[in-house]
Amino acid sequence: DVKVTQSSRYLVKRTGEKVFLECVQDMDHENMFWYRQDPGLGLRLIYFSYDVKMKEKGDIPEGYSVSREKKERFSLILESASTNQTSMYLCASSLGYITSGPQETQYFGPGTRLLVL
Amino acid sequence: AQKVTQAQTEISVVEKEDVTLDCVYETRDTTYYLFWYKQPPSGELVFLIRRNSFDEQNEISGRYSWNFQKSTSSFNFTITASQVVDSAVYFCALRRRGETSGSRLTFGEGTQLTVNP
Repeated sequence: DVKVTQSSRYLVKRTGEKVFLECVQDMDHENMFWYRQDPGLGLRLIYFSYDVKMKEKGDIPEGYSVSREKKERFSLILESASTNQTSMYLCASSLGYITSGPQETQYFGPGTRLLVL
Repeated sequence: AQKVTQAQTEISVVEKEDVTLDCVYETRDTTYYLFWYKQPPSGELVFLIRRNSFDEQNEISGRYSWNFQKSTSSFNFTITASQVVDSAVYFCALRRRGETSGSRLTFGEGTQLTVNP
């Protein structure tokens, strides 16, 4: 079974703090993703990575950066947290960028609920 | 433009009722994938099904069934004889290509299903 873990389930930070959200997958997946989930908006892609040190912006990258130094780990960084970044953050991974079949399926971690005060 | 619409924000049923969750999508891709995910109260998205655009056969898995109709751009999900454990948010998603590599999912807004005993 695919296992995607996130470093924290709940996090409370103050405005202006630098925040790191960590995600680890144990299935040697090529692709990793960060989403945020807000009521009425579904999941929106922040960034994704298709290889170590490679990244691509998603739909809402502003205010975020990412780091992927090792294949199994993908970090989301909020350089200076703001209250509008209070949200549920979900990490996902998928097998590879070969565009067919099972490689496309994304597997999700349990999520981190971030509250920025 | 890629878009997924789940018009039903919330559905409430009584146990053992059948319920259908609607999903309508827009894409210019000729080959694409559609997905359904379940998000129980614990927060983790659970993969349910992947369907590619050239396979319009309906699929049944236990009490779950999916009706894919390319002509109407719909990929509806039916739960037969619903149970309380089916209570969750359900997301429909469409796979689209990334700019440089890999692929990404566009999610609908989600449908909150509540099954009452």
